[in-house]
Amino acid sequence: NAGVTQTPKFQVLKTGQSMTLQCAQDMNHNSMYWYRQDPGMGLRLIYYSASEGTTDKGEVPNGYNVSRLNKREFSLRLESAAPSQTSVYFCASRPRGLAGQETQYFGPGTRLLVL
Amino acid sequence: GEDVEQSLFLSVREGDSSVINCTYTDSSSTYLYWYKQEPGAGLQLLTYIFSNMDMKQDQRLTVLLNKKDKHLSLRIADTQTGDSAIYFCVPKDSGAGSYQLTFGKGTKLSVIP
Repeated sequence: NAGVTQTPKFQVLKTGQSMTLQCAQDMNHNSMYWYRQDPGMGLRLIYYSASEGTTDKGEVPNGYNVSRLNKREFSLRLESAAPSQTSVYFCASRPRGLAGQETQYFGPGTRLLVL
Repeated sequence: GEDVEQSLFLSVREGDSSVINCTYTDSSSTYLYWYKQEPGAGLQLLTYIFSNMDMKQDQRLTVLLNKKDKHLSLRIADTQTGDSAIYFCVPKDSGAGSYQLTFGKGTKLSVIP
């Protein structure tokens, strides 16, 4: 049981390049999330998927797109990377449970540098 | 959304107790979580308390909740170097369909050997 896995671990992009960050979970969780973490800004939600087939914007969705490919996988795409997207990106998942049981399980993160 | 205030930094000596404080704004918060992020890693749930409780103890961890003042604290007894991390206070209401958590900036705990 690997939990939440993210690839790649580290990536350097040039401004304008595109890339997709991959996330997969093997815990049969319904909900999945993408966050970014920046110094002094805390953790901010980019997009989430409450269940397979649905996606919703979070606090900072501009410049990103997501795909909930199936129950296991939730990818984050940067179509035209900008230096402001330099950050650490975390994927998380949450099982279906009683309302309010918000235990989220996090991946190890992807460190992205946009030059 | 929920607003949370925590001190950004806390430094303690190994063996001492650490107390991380948090104030929040939403009085309807039903569950209050503490998440821990070790250096270079993702977040993990450390402990939580329900809003109908005043205190919860879990080994070296003690969570205190003052609902009237909307104040939550996390006490770590006998702090170890392995406790060095960022700690996030995360209040949450139990609204149906509410899937999001607001993490804020967290408190970075540094343990001096």
